[in-house]
Amino acid sequence: DIQMTQSPSSLSASVGDRVTITCRASQGIGNSLAWYQQKPGKVPKLLIYAASTLQSGVPSRFSGSGSGSDFTLTIRILQPEDVATYYCQKYKIVPLTFGGGTRVEIK
Amino acid sequence: QVQLVESGGGVVHPGKSLRLSCGATGFTFNTYAMHWVRQAPGKGLEWVALISFDGSHQYYVDSVKGRFTISRDNSENTLFLQMNSLRLDDTAVYYCTREGADDYGGKSGFDYWGQGTLVAVSS
Repeated sequence: DIQMTQSPSSLSASVGDRVTITCRASQGIGNSLAWYQQKPGKVPKLLIYAASTLQSGVPSRFSGSGSGSDFTLTIRILQPEDVATYYCQKYKIVPLTFGGGTRVEIK
Repeated sequence: QVQLVESGGGVVHPGKSLRLSCGATGFTFNTYAMHWVRQAPGKGLEWVALISFDGSHQYYVDSVKGRFTISRDNSENTLFLQMNSLRLDDTAVYYCTREGADDYGGKSGFDYWGQGTLVAVSS
C-alpha cells in the first residue's frame, strides 16, 4: 500500500507568515491528492483536491501544488483562524490513506 | 443544503457488535459513492470503508476486513456500517463522508462530512 508522509508534524508561525506543509507519497499518485483542514473540536473540511484545485468557498490564501509523489499546501498569509491540523489524502485508489497530519499554531 | 447525520454510536464491550447509520439529505444520494472515516481520540484520520453509488462495490482498510460491512439503502438515503467483533482499537469518532465529483465526473475528495458518532470499545 502507498504511504502518505507529512512534514512537519507541527509548526508555529506568526500571523501574516507564509506557511508550507509537504506531503510525500511512497509511490506516484498522479494528482489525486486532497488537503483537509480540521480545526480543534470540529469536523474536517475539504480545502483542495486534484492537488491544486481550491474547493468552493475556501479562501484564496490557501494553495496546493505538486504531482506524482511530492505535494505542498501553502497558506500565503497566515490568519488566526487558520489554527488547525491539516491532512493530505490520496483519494483515487483504495486504501484512501491520509497523512499523519500537521498541526499549525500561532506564535 | 447537504447534510449527513450519523447515529448508532455508543459504549460496547470487546467482541460485541454495533451498527452505525448515516442519514443523507440535500443531494441525490444514489449518485454518490460514500465512505466511513474514523478518528481515534487525539489521533489522525483513518479511512475505513467505501461503497459505490449503487452499492455494488465495497472496499475496506485491512484492519476491518472481515469484521465491518458497509452498505446503503438508496430508497431511504441511508448509509450503514455494521461493526462486528469490535476491538479496543476500534474506539473512535466515525464520520460519514460523501465522495465529491468534479465538473468532469472525476473524484474530488470528501466534500461533505457528518458530525461524527463516537464508538467506545471498553471492557
